[in-house]
Amino acid sequence: AQSVTQLGSHVSVSEGALVLLRCNYSSSVPPYLFWYVQYPNQGLQLLLKYTTGATLVKGINGFEAEFKKSETSFHLTKPSAHMSDAAEYFCAVSVGFHTGTASKLTFGTGTRLQVTL
Amino acid sequence: NAGVTQTPKFRILKIGQSMTLQCTQDMNHNYMYWYRQDPGMGLKLIYYSVGAGITDKGEVPNGYNVSRSTTEDFPLRLELAAPSQTSVYFCASSPTSGVSQYFGPGTRLLVL
Repeated sequence: AQSVTQLGSHVSVSEGALVLLRCNYSSSVPPYLFWYVQYPNQGLQLLLKYTTGATLVKGINGFEAEFKKSETSFHLTKPSAHMSDAAEYFCAVSVGFHTGTASKLTFGTGTRLQVTL
Repeated sequence: NAGVTQTPKFRILKIGQSMTLQCTQDMNHNYMYWYRQDPGMGLKLIYYSVGAGITDKGEVPNGYNVSRSTTEDFPLRLELAAPSQTSVYFCASSPTSGVSQYFGPGTRLLVL
């Protein structure tokens, strides 16, 4: 079974600083990987995803993530944080497509990003 | 398109009561999902459906039931509410397997 580990339940950065949110996964088959963002009292919104091909994936709002198979990681980065980036971020893995079944997502426990002035 | 809609937004239930959480999507997606989100725990899959008339259990199905009579609707039923079911419930849909899911705004449920 697959699993996701997000290191750090809370991350605080200054506005304009680099954002780095860590995600490591465990999977016996090549996974699809996702980052979702959740703003207060809202549902989850897809930031970016990796399926196949280029390992550096660009998403919305200036975020990007790099799939590193050797490190089983999919860390999320943004060069310069903005106050509007304050939210909770979830990493997720899916392997269901390998068996032809529904792409059930397994989520990490989330990282709350705080952006300070 | 409205996307994925959920009703109600918030509900308080007494222990032992029952209720149905509604979920509708207007994107003609075959796959639909129900998750619950508890603080510090991420999202856990309750049930999912790969098409009308076809449903299956997820990671935490106990205490819940689902049905899928149409492509658009995927209601979640709580028969005997328990305090452990206090959570935020999210419905999601996707067009096929292996692609990203679209989430609704959630239903916050409090069982007292």
